[in-house]
Amino acid sequence: AQSVTQLGSHVSVSEGALVLLRCNYSSSVPPYLFWYVQYPNQGLQLLLKYTSAATLVKGINGFEAEFKKSETSFHLTKPSAHMSDAAEYFCAASYNFNKFYFGSGTKLNVKP
Amino acid sequence: KAGVTQTPRYLIKTRGQQVTLSCSPISGHRSVSWYQQTPGQGLQFLFEYFSETQRNKGNFPGRFSGRQFSNSRSEMNVSTLELGDSALYLCASSPGGAGAHNEQFFGPGTRLTVL
Repeated sequence: AQSVTQLGSHVSVSEGALVLLRCNYSSSVPPYLFWYVQYPNQGLQLLLKYTSAATLVKGINGFEAEFKKSETSFHLTKPSAHMSDAAEYFCAASYNFNKFYFGSGTKLNVKP
Repeated sequence: KAGVTQTPRYLIKTRGQQVTLSCSPISGHRSVSWYQQTPGQGLQFLFEYFSETQRNKGNFPGRFSGRQFSNSRSEMNVSTLELGDSALYLCASSPGGAGAHNEQFFGPGTRLTVL
């Protein structure tokens, strides 16, 4: 069965430090991949998506993700964390039309 | 364009009752998906409607049902509410054409509390 795994339910970084949030998908056929962010009491907002056009995908707010087929991974990074990045991040995969599989989420804490 | 709207934003019900949640997609979007979000289970896919037809379905009991109207607005119904149905219910819309893996645009959710 298709699934998405996010390693680390909580990640804590200092302001200005590198952010690395991990995501792995399970499938021999690469799905379409997405990263979403959720702020408290809000819906999800798209950060970026991979649709096979390029392996390095740039998104909003300085985030980017690299698709690595050999590792079945789609990790999210940001060179320098900002306090406003504190939120919950979800990786998602789409294998068929509009049926999305979400990871369990990673809560990012940014320390001053 | 206006975003995805969900009504009501908050709802309190008691066990055994039924509830209907509403979702208005972004204008022009024909696909509407519903998700249940809980601290323990995370985001779980309920179902997706496209052009008034259920196109995808998750693994939820038959107490959870939905429908989509000709204007793409969608409703989700939960009958015989259980305590475990307390959750944030998120609706997402996308253009949703055949072969599409479009990004989904999420509404703010409806927070359902079952007492």
